[in-house]
Amino acid sequence: GQQVMQIPQYQHVQEGEDFTTYCNSSTTLSNIQWYKQRPGGHPVFLIQLVKSGEVKKQKRLTFQFGEAKKNSSLHITATQTTDVGTYFCAGRGSGTYKYIFGTGTRLKVLA
Amino acid sequence: NAGVMQNPRHLVRRRGQEARLRCSPMKGHSHVYWYRQLPEEGLKFMVYLQKENIIDESGMPKERFSAEFPKEGPSILRIQQVVRGDSAAYFCASSSEGAGVTFYEQYFGPGTRLTVT
Repeated sequence: GQQVMQIPQYQHVQEGEDFTTYCNSSTTLSNIQWYKQRPGGHPVFLIQLVKSGEVKKQKRLTFQFGEAKKNSSLHITATQTTDVGTYFCAGRGSGTYKYIFGTGTRLKVLA
Repeated sequence: NAGVMQNPRHLVRRRGQEARLRCSPMKGHSHVYWYRQLPEEGLKFMVYLQKENIIDESGMPKERFSAEFPKEGPSILRIQQVVRGDSAAYFCASSSEGAGVTFYEQYFGPGTRLTVT
């Protein structure tokens, strides 16, 4: 079945450093969504990518969808303590309704 | 404008009892997903429902688990004869998605933390 892996599993950065998490699917995706979950909280939607090679930016966050629509990345420039949390990608395969969530990358930002 | 509501937020059950988890989607949303999350892990898809229809239940165990989303009222995830391994956080998410080519974001509820003793 479809699997979605994320690397790294954990990342500790100094405040102001950049951060990137990578998401890889075993199958081609129709679309991919990114979520952020704070400790003890629930996932909150960040962005959705649909087109091959798509790049979207939200302030310090840059999201990319690979040309083959099997991988994606989230890059945060100049991290802040408010960026702390776990970042999940969620991919949906062709012809299916369900989203498979990645394993998540837990980000800690040291002040 | 209320978001997705789940209740109870915390539920303690003894082994063998039944657990009923409720999810009220955002106003105007007719699609609900249920996910399960173990501590320090990702979200595992369980079931996707439209009002009065189960669209995809491929992630739900065949035994003891069932889900419904009636025409009126919240979506219910029901776990019969709970075991310790059912202890987890259960999240529901609602979406305005239809069966077309447009994809919509999922809005998550706060989750129900189920503890089986």
